[in-house]
Amino acid sequence: ETGVTQTPRHLVMGMTNKKSLKCEQHLGHNAMYWYKQSAKKPLELMFVYSLEERVENNSVPSRFSPECPNSSHLFLHLHTLQPEDSALYLCASSQDATDTQYFGPGTRLTVL
Amino acid sequence: RKEVEQDPGPFNVPEGATVAFNCTYSNSASQSFFWYRQDCRKEPKLLMSVYSSGNEDGRFTAQLNRASQYISLLIRDSKLSDSATYLCVVNDDYKLSFGAGTTVTVRA
Repeated sequence: ETGVTQTPRHLVMGMTNKKSLKCEQHLGHNAMYWYKQSAKKPLELMFVYSLEERVENNSVPSRFSPECPNSSHLFLHLHTLQPEDSALYLCASSQDATDTQYFGPGTRLTVL
Repeated sequence: RKEVEQDPGPFNVPEGATVAFNCTYSNSASQSFFWYRQDCRKEPKLLMSVYSSGNEDGRFTAQLNRASQYISLLIRDSKLSDSATYLCVVNDDYKLSFGAGTTVTVRA
């Protein structure tokens, strides 16, 4: 399936590194989301963008910085992360707010 | 209180069995409801939306009880391929709240 793609699929980084996660949706949707999924925990919503405007920032530490340059692309910039930030980061998109969300395959991040 | 609560399971059932489980949600104003399926180390995928009158999709039946604030999923004639974690999802505007998931394992 190529509706929502994410790169890279796996990322290992040190605590002093800066990296970016990329998400692209090919569905013509208006809203995009970043989620974090840690082991044995529910998905946690991090950020929501609607029509390129950020509409939700769920008390996420500033070491995570989202960017939405257009309605098809969403980035998550990472810097000075902590080992507890290791998780699966999932991007999703939906047509509108209450519509079904479609997920990308995720980026599995390990912070050493 | 968690926004969405699910029995984590696991539910271990033989092929052909029926398995059912519930999910409760805390926000009475929640607007839409879904069941997602997540396979090990994969992304969640929509299984079905849950409508007020209840709905069926093949072997899967979903029910919504707004008065008691719970959602249920029933799987009939279980297949090996039904083994997965089933996520209950509640949508309030932009915010999707996920349950931690119910693990189902179907054995031959």
